[in-house]
Amino acid sequence: KNEVEQSPQNLTAQEGEFITINCSYSVGISALHWLQQHPGGGIVSLFMLSSGKKKHGRLIATINIQEKHSSLHITASHPRDSAVYICAVRSNTGGFKTIFGAGTRLFVKA
Amino acid sequence: NAGVTQTPKFQVLKTGQSMTLQCAQDMNHEYMSWYRQDPGMGLRLIHYSVGAGITDQGEVPNGYNVSRSTTEDFPLRLLSAAPSQTSVYFCASSPGRLGGNIQYFGAGTRLSVL
Repeated sequence: KNEVEQSPQNLTAQEGEFITINCSYSVGISALHWLQQHPGGGIVSLFMLSSGKKKHGRLIATINIQEKHSSLHITASHPRDSAVYICAVRSNTGGFKTIFGAGTRLFVKA
Repeated sequence: NAGVTQTPKFQVLKTGQSMTLQCAQDMNHEYMSWYRQDPGMGLRLIHYSVGAGITDQGEVPNGYNVSRSTTEDFPLRLLSAAPSQTSVYFCASSPGRLGGNIQYFGAGTRLSVL
């Protein structure tokens, strides 16, 4: 079983829909990151969080440390949101270890 | 703002050839790392560095070497390329010691080994 699991693997939405991508992890963490990988391949950090909730524009990320779960929400989705969204956790066992989920591929139709 | 620059963007090698993937960052970041990304799998750490002169192995280090002679540069060397090394390679940097620092990624190098 992977230490970081994302769901769904693939998601197709209609423009304007509210989208939720989930991330569950099984290790103790010091921080969780949400990344966006565009069709061209570039990877951009969206959020880093260790508790609570963060909002940036139409994107909202939440984390529940007790349940070892995080969600990424996109409100009023747009075709330009089409990308792969990756959850990554920084282990709190020390050292450099970051564990990446396999990603959720989102396609937003116009 | 250059950020993290990787070269080349694409490369095709024959089995047994060697090559170096270049990575440079202009943000004075302490930490740099190399990942590979394969279909259906998360990014996996190959090697990383927590400062000039210091490198360590990640999850999948076999077949790769790194060095960090300067803060800015962190090249990844494939010693004798194998088809199993066909992948997309990403270099990343982050400011340093605090474990939660955001990583900044390069645009990636798509490598095919025939």
